Amino acid sequence: GESVGLHLPTLSVQEGDNSIINCAYSNSASDYFIWYKQESGKGPQFIIDIRSNMDKRQGQRVTVLLNKTVKHLSLQIAATQPGDSAVYFCAEDSGTYKYIFGTGTRLKVLA
Amino acid sequence: DGGITQSPKYLFRKEGQNVTLSCEQNLNHDAMYWYRQDPGQGLRLIYYSQIVNDFQKGDIAEGYSVSREKKESFPLTVTSAQKNPTAFYLCASSPGTDGTYEQYFGPGTRLTVT
Repeated sequence: GESVGLHLPTLSVQEGDNSIINCAYSNSASDYFIWYKQESGKGPQFIIDIRSNMDKRQGQRVTVLLNKTVKHLSLQIAATQPGDSAVYFCAEDSGTYKYIFGTGTRLKVLA
Repeated sequence: DGGITQSPKYLFRKEGQNVTLSCEQNLNHDAMYWYRQDPGQGLRLIYYSQIVNDFQKGDIAEGYSVSREKKESFPLTVTSAQKNPTAFYLCASSPGTDGTYEQYFGPGTRLTVT
């Protein structure tokens, strides 16, 4: 299988519980942020994005929170399902079309 | 279906050989990117292209080369000068570079060099 994801922090949650995945970003000038989901052996999939003029954005079962004061981003997944098991990582764009990607968090959903 | 395709999914090469990874998109996106992904690390940018016949080095371009002869295609060549070529390679595209846009990723190519 794909070895990407070794040595990543892991969050284990019970099926049906809410999950919160955190990300610290590096550039205070970054104005656009994305959360991606990556399943083993596959490319990253877009989950949700948020611009710096917002604090919160909601999607289907997902919410992204942005705290610019402490340069922190979080992804909340409601009613976590087995299909949510994957590596999640954030990306920031400081406006130069060069994204900075976090290393990721592995989410394990326990039945 | 619209999207980004990368081929092959798995690639094996002997040390000292050049190898070219394919990336094609039918999303009509102007910008395309190549990233390398290693265990425990974030994606690292190898090369990017904002428009046909133009491309720029990313953070880890040494040992790699690209071309952008067509809008839809952005092949990456891993040369024998790349010291640690074994990795998972991801191609991405985005609609433009005059603003902030989501990047759409392909399925990736796993390259193993022995």
